[in-house]
Amino acid sequence: GESVGLHLPTLSVQEGDNSIINCAYSNSASDYFIWYKQESGKGPQFIIDIRSNMDKRQGQRVTVLLNKTVKHLSLQIAATQPGDSAVYFCAERAIDQAGTALIFGKGTTLSVSS
Amino acid sequence: DAGVTQSPTHLIKTRGQQVTLRCSPKSGHDTVSWYQQALGQGPQFIFQYYEEEERQRGNFPDRFSGHQFPNYSSELNVNALLLGDSALYLCASSSGFGTQYFGPGTRLTVL
Repeated sequence: GESVGLHLPTLSVQEGDNSIINCAYSNSASDYFIWYKQESGKGPQFIIDIRSNMDKRQGQRVTVLLNKTVKHLSLQIAATQPGDSAVYFCAERAIDQAGTALIFGKGTTLSVSS
Repeated sequence: DAGVTQSPTHLIKTRGQQVTLRCSPKSGHDTVSWYQQALGQGPQFIFQYYEEEERQRGNFPDRFSGHQFPNYSSELNVNALLLGDSALYLCASSSGFGTQYFGPGTRLTVL
């Protein structure tokens, strides 16, 4: 089974709104989390990451929040634009002394209408 | 600075055939990971190469094998193709245990 999943498969917002995409993870031992954006026909694009010793990290127009108590991760996008329309995946890094495999959920499709 | 590149872009094979996919990592990266992404799903980890050795493997059969070359580029080989192997194959590169950056993928169709 998958240890990372997203609460909603789709999210529709209006241009200019703030978007919040949620993710639940099950492995409390994971130490690193990443959000990727995937546009149709392309590979996942790194957005932002956060380590387990942090609870918030900000980038340009994006903020990631980590709540380790309830094993929840969220991605906030400010002033959402049509170009933000894509599938968003959260991924966790499995703790393994050998490597750094990422475990992905199924993704949330964000649709932005103007 | 070129990012992760993959070839070919698309590939069509028939059941039972063998396929080789190629990946060149981002400049300065020494670790290559391969993922399989079925339609509508998140990527699934196949294996990871570092210093020309497979250092971690996901839950994929032995039909899936790989190689990493001294210049850090990598190949993914799949033998005895099945219809279920049809997917987008993604390569990601990183510097050691750092952030993984993905290439555009190779779309494999098995008929």
